[in-house]
Amino acid sequence: DGGITQSPKYLFRKEGQNVTLSCEQNLNHDAMYWYRQDPGQGLRLIYYSQIVNDFQKGDIAEGYSVSREKKESFPLTVTSAQKNPTAFYLCATSPNRDEKLFFGSGTQLSVL
Amino acid sequence: DQQVKQNSPSLSVQEGRISILNCDYTNSMFDYFLWYKKYPAEGPTFLISISSIKDKNEDGRFTVFLNKSAKHLSLHIVPSQPGDSAVYFCAASARGSNYKLTFGKGTLLTVNP
Repeated sequence: DGGITQSPKYLFRKEGQNVTLSCEQNLNHDAMYWYRQDPGQGLRLIYYSQIVNDFQKGDIAEGYSVSREKKESFPLTVTSAQKNPTAFYLCATSPNRDEKLFFGSGTQLSVL
Repeated sequence: DQQVKQNSPSLSVQEGRISILNCDYTNSMFDYFLWYKKYPAEGPTFLISISSIKDKNEDGRFTVFLNKSAKHLSLHIVPSQPGDSAVYFCAASARGSNYKLTFGKGTLLTVNP
């Protein structure tokens, strides 16, 4: 969706390195989410934020961190504590809690 | 514990025929259901949704049916087109529960010309 920009499209991480995935939106949506997709798996929720300066852990938050300093931005940091980071990462937004999600085009993270 | 299950990893149909994708759920608190379509290396796009107060919702070639007693929903695509070939994810949420979508593992639909 043109209103949600994820960058970079591809990212490589070295052993012990932290990397940050960017997610920016111009849809003026309150809620933002990070999901992870592994091959043959569904989307699993990492973190979500319903308002600026507030965020909640999802189902698989270990090894990840986020911030929500601006409504438009919700970056995800994959830390060295995440032992299996290779996956397709998807950022999503919604106008409020009860609306469907709109997804970005994703970032493929691989380990060198 | 998988709360949303799509038991068919793949489905192949002929162009012009009906595609039926199935989804089962175990959490009786789920009251809102969605279908997303996803192409490789892209984000999912919303297709159609249904609230638990309904048992059917239609949008063009796409119809979703909900059977609450069986905790089962299905997506019908009629007629199927080659451009429908993609992975389809079923998702569910329980409103009033910090709103989170729980996704199934997806079904790869291939529509053959």
